[in-house]
Amino acid sequence: VQLVESGGGLVQPGKSLKLSCSASGFTFSSYGMHWIRQAPGKGLDWVAYISSSSGTVYADAVKGRFTISRDNAKNTLYLQLNSLKSEDTAIYYCARSDYWGQGVMVTVSS
Amino acid sequence: DIVMTQGALPNPVPSGESVSITCRSSKSLLYSDGKTYLNWYLQRPGQSPQLLIYWMSTRASGVSDRFSGSGSGTDFTLKISGVEAEDVGVYYCQQGLEFPRTFGAGTKLELK
Repeated sequence: VQLVESGGGLVQPGKSLKLSCSASGFTFSSYGMHWIRQAPGKGLDWVAYISSSSGTVYADAVKGRFTISRDNAKNTLYLQLNSLKSEDTAIYYCARSDYWGQGVMVTVSS
Repeated sequence: DIVMTQGALPNPVPSGESVSITCRSSKSLLYSDGKTYLNWYLQRPGQSPQLLIYWMSTRASGVSDRFSGSGSGTDFTLKISGVEAEDVGVYYCQQGLEFPRTFGAGTKLELK
């Protein structure tokens, strides 16, 4: 099982960013997937979940701003981040619960 | 939301000693299927979290049998029998019963 995130970077407050997570080594379409974040020096903060049938759930802090989606043909998980705030600065991990990617850094700053 | 509260360790811990990390949930994590939806993760320095224990007491694939999980519906313990250098890091408990998924604040293990 391998999960590889990409798409992070430095972005200004109010702007948007789209993260990707490329999955391999398992039948991606059969699994629900999560995005979890970790602010610098802080603990783990669950962000969003998408089921194998593409049902979605979000943390209150990101509801209405972030969108989780998946493309099973491409074995890829996405997280669209809109209206970014400084408090969204964190390492973003995609996870299958039992396997996590290495994470991608998102920095929101002017 | 379910609140997860973790205890601290008396760091630093001598190598070879056994330690227990506690975690408490604000709601029972015992589901009607008989499983208790409590996970333990280890985040080593500079790495992403690794699943150690799921369903409160089932070791994940490849995890050393020095790690064991136990508990009730709301009070949980992760025991490490004979701490080794590779065990250093932050341990998190997480509930998998409801959304939003919630984590404890983490328990840091340092080695003497």
